[in-house]
Amino acid sequence: GAVVSQHPSRVICKSGTSVKIECRSLDFQATTMFWYRQFPKQSLMLMATSNEGSKATYEQGVEKDKFLINHASLTLSTLTVTSAHPEDSSFYICSATGPDPGTDTQYFGPGTRLTVL
Amino acid sequence: LAKTTQPISMDSYEGQEVNITCSHNNIATNDYITWYQQFPSQGPRFIIQGYKTKVTNEVASLFIPADRKSSTLSLPRVSLSDTAVYYCLVVPPPGGGNKLTFGTGTQLKVEL
Repeated sequence: GAVVSQHPSRVICKSGTSVKIECRSLDFQATTMFWYRQFPKQSLMLMATSNEGSKATYEQGVEKDKFLINHASLTLSTLTVTSAHPEDSSFYICSATGPDPGTDTQYFGPGTRLTVL
Repeated sequence: LAKTTQPISMDSYEGQEVNITCSHNNIATNDYITWYQQFPSQGPRFIIQGYKTKVTNEVASLFIPADRKSSTLSLPRVSLSDTAVYYCLVVPPPGGGNKLTFGTGTQLKVEL
């Protein structure tokens, strides 16, 4: 149980284009989903927190107009990187909470490798 | 959120027990201690969580002294497949806000 999937697993795009990454909780309803970014040899950095049906809460320094987050259902959240540039190349990971009553344990997706040319 | 400090790297051999210690001097009274494992190009995987004393599951044990200012993740009889980065996090109790702050983690390398 508590499986989180991401699609695509890797994507290569040209500079200036937009890329959408999907995060799904497969066997549970996720009350909250999170989006992280991880650069090579570095730790995960939280980008935003997303609750179903409400606007995402972005961490300081993360541009909300560049990283659009939609959490339309209890099993799906999407991250759209708009007008991507090479510096946006990174490993994007989502996580979800919800399946364990009484805990906020986060279950992570497998990640999406974004390369912007 | 309480800051954590752990060794940057550790080396071990197959079959040995590995203990990774994490310090969290500023842990709040109701905070929990959680450990995640991350393989290259994968999302982190929850290993274990505890509040005090000792917690054991099928993967690891977590030892937390009475003052809770540190904790030790114990991996029994490691294998090559345990080579990964291990993150120690301090998290608030359920309902207390569930943002995770990842530190640098400990890169564990297991050799034959």
